[in-house]
Order: sequence, then structure tokens, then C-alpha cells
Amino acid sequence: EPEVTQTPSHQVTQMGQEVILRCVPISNHLYFYWYRQILGQKVEFLVSFYNNEISEKSEIFDDQFSVERPDGSNFTLKIRSTKLEDSAMYFCASRQGGGPQNEQFFGPGTRLTVL
Amino acid sequence: AQSVTQPDIHITVSEGASLELRCNYSYGATPYLFWYVQSPGQGLQLLLKYFSGDTLVQGIKGFEAEFKRSQSSFNLRKPSVHWSDAAEYFCAVGTSGSARQLTFGSGTQLTVLP
Repeated sequence: EPEVTQTPSHQVTQMGQEVILRCVPISNHLYFYWYRQILGQKVEFLVSFYNNEISEKSEIFDDQFSVERPDGSNFTLKIRSTKLEDSAMYFCASRQGGGPQNEQFFGPGTRLTVL
Repeated sequence: AQSVTQPDIHITVSEGASLELRCNYSYGATPYLFWYVQSPGQGLQLLLKYFSGDTLVQGIKGFEAEFKRSQSSFNLRKPSVHWSDAAEYFCAVGTSGSARQLTFGSGTQLTVLP
């Protein structure tokens, strides 16, 4: 069964460093998402991406964040200058099409630790 | 803006007992509602979803949920819990816009006693 994959599973970085989290969505899916879950808190929406551009973003997704689909298979989240409060589990998700019957499929997550 | 409330942070049940996890939502239009399960080290797996039609929805692993518009609720149920059901359960509401991003509740951690 096709699945969303994410690498790395765990990333440790120093405050102020740039990180790139990688995701490979399901191959025929058209919509892509990043969510994050700070330890002990809710899963929060960050950004959605469709047709090579951001379609929605939350207040969390500020200028320090960017997304890219560089090669038609990978979907990346970049944090330019990490802060301590960026420590969280980051989930990638993908969805086949626009209809509400098409649910989002989630990857296993990348745990980001900022020291 | 939409929101989801899961009032129970942690629930403990004995194996074989019935289970009900509560979910209340706030959304101005017809909601698209989901239940996801997260096992340790795993991603979020969809259990079931509601868009329209029959208000009692069947999902995987023997779970079902009932949409009650009058109570703004979408409670998850299972008649007989198995030890493998121990996990964290998230209720979510999807937006009606094209992006259809999800707003999640804070989750309910389920412990199953032998």
C-alpha cells in the first residue's frame, strides 16, 4: 500500500541553524501539507501546497519557514534559523484531490530537537 | 474559526470493555469530521470520516462514530476493546476550502488493561 515517507526520523540541531525536513508524498496525490505537534500539545496546521504554490498557511508559518517541491517527488519544509520553540514533531501529509471524500494520509513524522 | 474539543485527556478501559471517546466541534458550515489514531512512533492513521449522509459511520478496526449535529459531537465508539487499541486518538474537522486543512483536538490517550 502506498504511504507517505519522511526523513530523517529525528533531527537535532543548534539554535540558529537551518534545517530541511523531507517528505515523499504518495505519487498520484496533488495536495501536500505540513503539520507540527509540540510535545504535549495539539497537532497544528502549518501550510498546504497545491500546483506548485502555497494554498493556505497558518499564523505559525512565518518568514522563517518555506516549502518546496523541487523535483516532482519530494516535498520539503525549511526552517531558516531555528529557535528553541521550533522543537516539535513535524508531520507531512498528502491528499489525492480536492473533494472532501479524499482524506489526508500522514507520514510517520520527523522529531526536530533544537538545542 | 473552527475548533475541536476532546474533553478526556486520558481514558483507561479493560480489554473487552466498550469504549466511547468524546469529540465536540465548532464550525459554521457542514463539518467534515475525522478520527485518526496514532500509535507510538507511528504517523496518524485514519479510522473513519464523515461528510454527509448516514450519521453513523463505520471505520476500520471495528470502530464507529456518530455525528450529532444538535450536540456538535462526533463521538468514537468500539463495543469491545483489544489491547492493540492502546494509542492516542485525535478528532479533527476539515475546512470546506480547497486546501481542506485539518484542525485537530488535543487527543485522548487510551490505556487498555489486561
